[in-house]
Amino acid sequence: AQSVTQLGSHVSVSEGALVLLRCNYSSSVPPYLFWYVQYPNQGLQLLLKYTSAATLVKGINGFEAEFKKSETSFHLTKPSAHMSDAAEYFCAVRYSGNTPLVFGKGTRLSVIA
Amino acid sequence: EPEVTQTPSHQVTQMGQEVILRCVPISNHLYFYWYRQILGQKVEFLVSFYNNEISEKSEIFDDQFSVERPDGSNFTLKIRSTKLEDSAMYFCASSETPLIPTYEQYFGPGTRLTVT
Repeated sequence: AQSVTQLGSHVSVSEGALVLLRCNYSSSVPPYLFWYVQYPNQGLQLLLKYTSAATLVKGINGFEAEFKKSETSFHLTKPSAHMSDAAEYFCAVRYSGNTPLVFGKGTRLSVIA
Repeated sequence: EPEVTQTPSHQVTQMGQEVILRCVPISNHLYFYWYRQILGQKVEFLVSFYNNEISEKSEIFDDQFSVERPDGSNFTLKIRSTKLEDSAMYFCASSETPLIPTYEQYFGPGTRLTVT
């Protein structure tokens, strides 16, 4: 079965520090991977997506993610955290056609001044 | 920028009552979805809808649930007889076209349903 695992339900970093949010997927076929962000009282907004064109994907707000097939991972990073990055982050996968997204449980990012 | 809208933002209902959650997808989109997120849990797929019929549904989407596109702009989710465990945030999403897995699904802000 398709699944996504996000390690750490809550990550706390200092402002200016590296952000690393982990995502691992299970798949026997090439996946399409997505990171969504949810700010308080808002919907899910796409940060970036992996479409097999390049393993390092750059997204909005300075975030990027690297697809590592050998590790079945798609971790999200940002070199320097801002206070405005505080939100819930969801990793999601889909496999073919317009099949539904399968989401991880989410990681809440807190940024400390 | 076009966006998916949902109404109401918060709905409180009593167990056994019917509720209808409304969504207005982005106007040129063809594929529509409902997802839900029970507090503290992951976002889960409920149903997808294309060409005026259900394309795919999950085990959660039982006979108590139905979807409809009544007028070419709205997309609704009806729960016939709500249960306590239906309390969740319900997200509507739409995408431009089927068959292309990299096409983004655009999500609405959600409706928080509380069943008492």
